Amino acid sequence: AQTVTQSQPEMSVQEAETVTLSCTYDTSESDYYLFWYKQPPSRQMILVIRQEAYKQQNATENRFSVNFQKAAKSFSLKISDSQLGDAAMYFCAYTGTASKLTFGTGTRLQVTL
Amino acid sequence: EAGVVQSPRYKIIEKKQPVAFWCNPISGHNTLYWYRQNLGQGPELLIRYENEEAVDDSQLPKDRFSAERLKGVDSTLKIQPAELGDSAVYLCASSLMGGQYEQYFGPGTRLTVT
Repeated sequence: AQTVTQSQPEMSVQEAETVTLSCTYDTSESDYYLFWYKQPPSRQMILVIRQEAYKQQNATENRFSVNFQKAAKSFSLKISDSQLGDAAMYFCAYTGTASKLTFGTGTRLQVTL
Repeated sequence: EAGVVQSPRYKIIEKKQPVAFWCNPISGHNTLYWYRQNLGQGPELLIRYENEEAVDDSQLPKDRFSAERLKGVDSTLKIQPAELGDSAVYLCASSLMGGQYEQYFGPGTRLTVT
């Protein structure tokens, strides 16, 4: 079974600074997709960024980018120029051939002034 | 375009009582998911529908949980009877299709069983 591990329960970053959230996963599949979802205190989960495993190029979405290391099974999220609105729970998630989204336990990000 | 709608937002019941949650997915989304999110954890899939067919219900505790998706649109998740351990947030999500397609989540229903 696939597993997703987020080893940082909480992280803190100052406004305008850069922070990196870690995620590792375990799978025997070669074709899969990885996601970072954001869940603000209001609870509605939204997609931040998506990475296809067959693509070597790291995905980027404005201030959000990933460092995808397929051999190491690592998928970290970098947030640049952090803003107060970035404060939330961030979940790393995996989906493969079973079309089932498996989430990590989440990292709570605090943004300070 | 309206997002995924869930009701109620909050529900408090006594143990052994029944409870039902309702979800209306984004129009045109064929795939619908129900997740349970315990405090401090990531969501865990309970059931996935492709149109009106439940294609993955392996994590649904079938002795007390049931779900339906009539006409492949709205869905209802029911618990009967509820137990203290069922206290959690129940999330509904939808996507165009399964697999790599982005899932859009509703606001969830926070269930408290006393």
